[in-house]
Amino acid sequence: EAGVVQSPRYKIIEKKQPVAFWCNPISGHNTLYWYLQNLGQGPELLIRYENEEAVDDSQLPKDRFSAERLKGVDSTLKIQPAELGDSAVYLCASSSRTDATGELFFGEGSRLTVL
Amino acid sequence: GIQVEQSPPDLILQEGANSTLRCNFSDSVNNLQWFHQNPWGQLINLFYIPSGTKQNGRLSATTVATERYSLLYISSSQTTDSGVYFCAVEPWGADGLTFGKGTHLIIQP
Repeated sequence: EAGVVQSPRYKIIEKKQPVAFWCNPISGHNTLYWYLQNLGQGPELLIRYENEEAVDDSQLPKDRFSAERLKGVDSTLKIQPAELGDSAVYLCASSSRTDATGELFFGEGSRLTVL
Repeated sequence: GIQVEQSPPDLILQEGANSTLRCNFSDSVNNLQWFHQNPWGQLINLFYIPSGTKQNGRLSATTVATERYSLLYISSSQTTDSGVYFCAVEPWGADGLTFGKGTHLIIQP
């Protein structure tokens, strides 16, 4: 069974440029999460989707960040324009809420460097 | 929001040693998971353990929900156990895991 797939793995951009990250969750997982991880810290939730609906986006900086999950499968996280402080690893995770455990499975992450 | 404290923040051990990692949390939870982040950044789910005890090979975990803590035990450490161990919890009535800052474990050969 394929795991959570993210791309790109690495991205280097100059400040004020746009950037987008893509995530393909585990097949059949209806819940998808985007997390942000700064160096030396634990992941922090940005947004959670149940199917195609964003049910928790309270931590998403909506002035520059946007996300979508069309058809309830793949998801895209966009930053426009990027700032120096956005340099971090962006992690996508998925789980199946129909599974009693709700175990979370993470992708390898997309490491963003803003110059 | 819920507070998650992990200890110790850093731990350096020789290969073959045993270790105990602790996670304290500030509210009742219905979901608690332990993760291992390897040196390449990949987060691997180790245990789903909101209460009770589980074992998987050299690793085991115990959560005492009434006292709001969880312990991760690693026996006979190997160099491949190196990395950061995260505890993540989800309070009752909330959705989404809150992570602690992790314990950075280094196993020396």
